[in-house]
Amino acid sequence: KAGVTQTPRYLIKTRGQQVTLSCSPISGHRSVSWYQQTPGQGLQFLFEYFSETQRNKGNFPGRFSGRQFSNSRSEMNVSTLELGDSALYLCASSLVPLAGQGSEQYFGPGTRLTVT
Amino acid sequence: GDSVTQMEGPVTLSEEAFLTINCTYTATGYPSLFWYVQYPGEGLQLLLKATKADDKGSNKGFEATYRKETTSFHLEKGSVQVSDSAVYFCALVNFGNEKLTFGTGTRLTIIP
Repeated sequence: KAGVTQTPRYLIKTRGQQVTLSCSPISGHRSVSWYQQTPGQGLQFLFEYFSETQRNKGNFPGRFSGRQFSNSRSEMNVSTLELGDSALYLCASSLVPLAGQGSEQYFGPGTRLTVT
Repeated sequence: GDSVTQMEGPVTLSEEAFLTINCTYTATGYPSLFWYVQYPGEGLQLLLKATKADDKGSNKGFEATYRKETTSFHLEKGSVQVSDSAVYFCALVNFGNEKLTFGTGTRLTIIP
């Protein structure tokens, strides 16, 4: 079974631009979450989608948004990029939303975004 | 809110040494606990998990026991290999808060 795939793997953008990242979950997984990883802040939760609905959102500004399609694929968008948005963006999928008991998230390789 | 505290790194060990990476957590209720590993240039891989007190998760020679009385989930391996060099993250998921909360990660380097 194929794992979580993310495209593109690397991206260089200029401050002020916008960017869209894509994630395809493991087949059969309906929940997709996004995390930002930076050296300074570590791994931080962005948002989670299940059945095309955002169920949970982390503490990020409104410039960060996402959506999920009927085939469970997800995209996240960052508008008006800032230098501080440079990070590794990780997508994770699970069968159902994490609920504290037994659920597991599987991560993709990430998209490395560099903002100049 | 929920939080995870990991021992500061980096940790450098010789091959075949015993490994312990400490992890403690703060959370209400009964969270599930996880260890993830990240190899250079890659995403996170689930290493092991435990969902209730006294559960022991194990995989690839690594073990961790869910200790509710000490709110800990320390990662151990009896004999490390060079291929174990990576960054290890302790994490939790708490009921009603459907996201992973991660520790800061511990970089492990194994020298031959």
